[in-house]
Amino acid sequence: AQTVTQSQPEMSVQEAETVTLSCTYDTSESDYYLFWYKQPPSRQMILVIRQEAYKQQNATENRFSVNFQKAAKSFSLKISDSQLGDAAMYFCASGTGTASKLTFGTGTRLQVTL
Amino acid sequence: EAEVAQSPRYKITEKSQAVAFWCDPISGHATLYWYRQILGQGPELLVQFQDESVVDDSQLPKDRFSAERLKGVDSTLKIQPAELGDSAMYLCASSTRLVGKPHEQYFGPGTRLTVT
Repeated sequence: AQTVTQSQPEMSVQEAETVTLSCTYDTSESDYYLFWYKQPPSRQMILVIRQEAYKQQNATENRFSVNFQKAAKSFSLKISDSQLGDAAMYFCASGTGTASKLTFGTGTRLQVTL
Repeated sequence: EAEVAQSPRYKITEKSQAVAFWCDPISGHATLYWYRQILGQGPELLVQFQDESVVDDSQLPKDRFSAERLKGVDSTLKIQPAELGDSAMYLCASSTRLVGKPHEQYFGPGTRLTVT
């Protein structure tokens, strides 16, 4: 079984600043993947970034990057140069190699202020 | 860009009534998922299809919920009878078939169900 924990229900960041969203996970699988999904208000959920557990290098996608600490089972998301459009719910999720089922955390609501 | 379509977007129903949701995945996506997202929580998988076959329905309350994907394309999720606790967002997602590798799931806009 997999569990994903997001301990920050809400976060706030000023425009152009950097914010880090936390996520911890637990899995008995050796082959697994981690994801951050963004759910804007009244819009569909979209993939922000993914990390394969077997890769040591942290994934990056433009202003989004992760800090993957495998031994600590930690997977945080860093958003640089925050923009108003980044305001959304962010969900951390894990999936295994043998099944594509995703297990989601409870989400972090990110507010971006001027 | 192709998207996952869902209808209706909003549904209000009375307790004990039947309700159905429809999902049309991205063309060519063999895998289809139905998730339930209770307010303030993350999505929880209800059922996963590979083509027309169910591969995981372990979290589907089978006494009242049913799902089908008869031709391996679009899908219907039904609740009968609806209960107050079924009020939630029902999300559909689809993905391509890749062996042994969780691949990106594309989500639809969801159906928000309110049971009164």
